[in-house]
Amino acid sequence: NAGVTQTPKFQVLKTGQSMTLQCAQDMNHNSMYWYRQDPGMGLRLIYYSASEGTTDKGEVPNGYNVSRLNKREFSLRLESAAPSQTSVYFCASSEGGGMGSSYNEQFFGPGTRLTVL
Amino acid sequence: KNEVEQSPQNLTAQEGEFITINCSYSVGISALHWLQQHPGGGIVSLFMLSSGKKKHGRLIATINIQEKHSSLHITASHPRDSAVYICAVPPPGGGSQGNLIFGKGTKLSVKP
Repeated sequence: NAGVTQTPKFQVLKTGQSMTLQCAQDMNHNSMYWYRQDPGMGLRLIYYSASEGTTDKGEVPNGYNVSRLNKREFSLRLESAAPSQTSVYFCASSEGGGMGSSYNEQFFGPGTRLTVL
Repeated sequence: KNEVEQSPQNLTAQEGEFITINCSYSVGISALHWLQQHPGGGIVSLFMLSSGKKKHGRLIATINIQEKHSSLHITASHPRDSAVYICAVPPPGGGSQGNLIFGKGTKLSVKP
């Protein structure tokens, strides 16, 4: 099992460009998450998906869109990148769903380091 | 919002020392997670606990629900334990979707 995979690992964009970060998991998990990690701050939730076909905003959703393509894949899109979106992005998954979800271990991808010039 | 505070922010220890990292949160919770972020950036889950104590190898995690406090202990520390240790809790309302709120992390460096 590969666990959670993310592509690309590194990306440099110019202000205003768009791109999509890809994430896939092979653990048959229901829930998937996108986080960003900035220096001096904890991981912050951008969007999450409790199941295929559903998505919800997290703490910092502005400037991002997501798609839960199927149970395996959850993509994050930057339509018009800004320097403030320079960050490390992590995708994660968990069994998720319903009461007791907070007990579920989250499995993280390796991260994407994004720089917006 | 559930505020998560970790202390210390940075910790340097000599190999073999006993290490304690603390986590306090503001809103009552059902479960607390400890995670480790390797120097290369990868994040792995270490523990999930809802009461008492859990042990895995040289790592011990404790939680006091009444005091809203958890500790992560490392016995006989080793340079390979050098990493950032992160505490995470559900948001108020329980996090029914599995989402968590993360502390800023404690950066541990163990010197040989």
